[in-house]
Amino acid sequence: AQSVTQLDSQVPVFEEAPVELRCNYSSSVSVYLFWYVQYPNQGLQLLLKYLSGSTLVKGINGFEAEFNKSQTSFHLRKPSVHISDTAEYFCAVLPNDYKLSFGAGTTVTVRA
Amino acid sequence: SAVISQKPSRDICQRGTSLTIQCQVDSQVTMMFWYRQQPGQSLTLIATANQGSEATYESGFVIDKFPISRPNLTFSTLTVSNMSPEDSSIYLCSAQGSGNTEAFFGQGTRLTVV
Repeated sequence: AQSVTQLDSQVPVFEEAPVELRCNYSSSVSVYLFWYVQYPNQGLQLLLKYLSGSTLVKGINGFEAEFNKSQTSFHLRKPSVHISDTAEYFCAVLPNDYKLSFGAGTTVTVRA
Repeated sequence: SAVISQKPSRDICQRGTSLTIQCQVDSQVTMMFWYRQQPGQSLTLIATANQGSEATYESGFVIDKFPISRPNLTFSTLTVSNMSPEDSSIYLCSAQGSGNTEAFFGQGTRLTVV
């Protein structure tokens, strides 16, 4: 069985400041890792994914994430946030049964 | 990539009634799923919609409450039956892309039961 833990439920941050959203997972099998963003009143949009290869993954809108196998982590970062980055962010794992498991989500609020 | 159209986008329903949500994908996909997102919470998988056969339900979800159809590789429906206020949630359709290495989501259906 898989589980995903997002360590921060809410992250307030000032505009142009960096942000890091933490995600840890547990799984007995190899998994693919994802970060999704949900803007207010919208569905989920894929930010980035890790399948294999380089542990540093770059996604859309200036986001990147680093896969750390030894720490079973997949933290999301952005060096400078904008007001428009205010959203809910979900970390997810995809095991070999193809069923996504989501973390509880992190609410990012960007303030001017 | 796959584009998923889901309708209705929102609805307000009376308790005791049923609502059917439609999900249309713009390309053939092998796997389709239905999720529920209760207010302020994460996504919970309801079931896997299997083409041409009965859906596979997750623990806590049953066919009588959430009947699902998938007549072909691009379309699925989820019905929320005999609704109560506790069914008020966002319901999302998802499809796995080629190689099953990415999941695409519809915009969701915001259901309010009064």
